[in-house]
Amino acid sequence: GAVVSQHPSWVICKSGTSVKIECRSLDFQATTMFWYRQFPKQSLMLMATSNEGSKATYEQGVEKDKFLINHASLTLSTLTVTSAHPEDSSFYICSASTSGGRETQYFGPGTRLLVL
Amino acid sequence: RKEVEQDPGPFNVPEGATVAFNCTYSNSASQSFFWYRQDCRKEPKLLMSVYSSGNEDGRFTAQLNRASQYISLLIRDSKLSDSATYLCVVNVAGNNRKLIWGLGTSLAVNP
Repeated sequence: GAVVSQHPSWVICKSGTSVKIECRSLDFQATTMFWYRQFPKQSLMLMATSNEGSKATYEQGVEKDKFLINHASLTLSTLTVTSAHPEDSSFYICSASTSGGRETQYFGPGTRLLVL
Repeated sequence: RKEVEQDPGPFNVPEGATVAFNCTYSNSASQSFFWYRQDCRKEPKLLMSVYSSGNEDGRFTAQLNRASQYISLLIRDSKLSDSATYLCVVNVAGNNRKLIWGLGTSLAVNP
């Protein structure tokens, strides 16, 4: 089946540090990748939709200059949290789809970010 | 009004019980519907898609009522391993397709 990996699974960093999270589709080509954030006891919130080779589409309220997304290939998308602050501490999850999200999205295992 | 609403629970049931979760959605243009399961501190995993005619997968039955904008999930003969949060998810039509997630319903199956 379709497998999506994320790296790292855990990050603890100091305030002001930039953190890069990788999302890879291991056995299929992902036309579209999605980045979500989930705070404790909250639902998943879509941050941005990323299509290979083009600029990401950000959801309202998500700062594109703070959350940099690069989708340079059909198997890799990266999310960089620039100058992270404690309020950015969250569970970041990516998903990948072969059809722009119309069909099943396959989720990565998530990355827990703790900013001190 | 939230786009997708669920009773957060928690639902505490004994093993073998039948439990039902409900979900309502606000956007009548919604086209696809899903139930996901999320274990504590893990990513969500697709449990089943929900079709207009209703569908069953083993102990799990999902139903959709488009007129009432209502989705349900029934779990029969619940197992300890069914303990998780169940997320109702809706895919809205249009050029900017995306999944809209409910807050989830927490289920604890007790021995």
